[in-house]
Amino acid sequence: GIQVEQSPPDLILQEGANSTLRCNFSDSVNNLQWFHQNPWGQLINLFYIPSGTKQNGRLSATTVATERYSLLYISSSQTTDSGVYFCAVVGYSGGGADGLTFGKGTHLIIQP
Amino acid sequence: GAGVSQTPSNKVTEKGKYVELRCDPISGHTALYWYRQSLGQGPEFLIYFQGTGAADDSGLPNDRFFAVRPEGSVSTLKIQRTERGDSAVYLCASSSQVGAGTEAFFGQGTRLTVV
Repeated sequence: GIQVEQSPPDLILQEGANSTLRCNFSDSVNNLQWFHQNPWGQLINLFYIPSGTKQNGRLSATTVATERYSLLYISSSQTTDSGVYFCAVVGYSGGGADGLTFGKGTHLIIQP
Repeated sequence: GAGVSQTPSNKVTEKGKYVELRCDPISGHTALYWYRQSLGQGPEFLIYFQGTGAADDSGLPNDRFFAVRPEGSVSTLKIQRTERGDSAVYLCASSSQVGAGTEAFFGQGTRLTVV
C-alpha cells in the first residue's frame, strides 16, 4: 500500500515563530488531508488538498502531486497551535480501499 | 447532527468481554469509516461502508472484529473476546460521497481500555 512519511517528527518553537511541516507519499493520490489532533484527541480538518495551494488565516498548504509531497505552513505560531499534525492520503492504486493512510505525525510544541 | 458523534467516549472492559462502539455520522453522509489509533501512532484504517454495505473490511485485524450499518446511517463496531492489545482509541469518520476523492470528517473517538 501507499507509504506516508512526515517530517520532522518533533518540533519545538517559540510563540510567534513560523514553521513548515512536510509530508512525502509514495504513489499518486486522489485525496490528501491535513489534520490537527488537539490534546483531547479530536482530529480537526485543516485542509483537503490533493493538489494546489490553499490558505486559511495563519495556515496554508501546498501539494505538488507530480513530485509526491505536501507542505503545511504555520505562521506566527500561537500556543494553541500545539498538538500533533497528521497528513493522510488515499492512493489511486489502493486496490479499492478508500480509507485514508496516515503518516506518523509531527508533534508540535509552541512555548510561550 | 452537526458533526460525527461517537459513544461512549470512554469504555473500560475486562479481557474476554464483548463491546460495542457506536458512530453517528454527519446527517446525509453516505460513506462511513472506522479507524483505530494506538498511542503515539497515526490512525489505521479498519473498515469502510458505502451506504449499508461494507465496501472494504481489509483493515479489520481478525474475525473478533465486526461492524454493521443496517440502515445506512448509524454504525456499530463490535469486538468479541476482547484482548489487552485491543486497547486503543477507535475513531469514526464520514464523508458526503462515496469514493476516495472526498473530504472525511472525524468524531472525537472512543477510548477503549481492556484490563
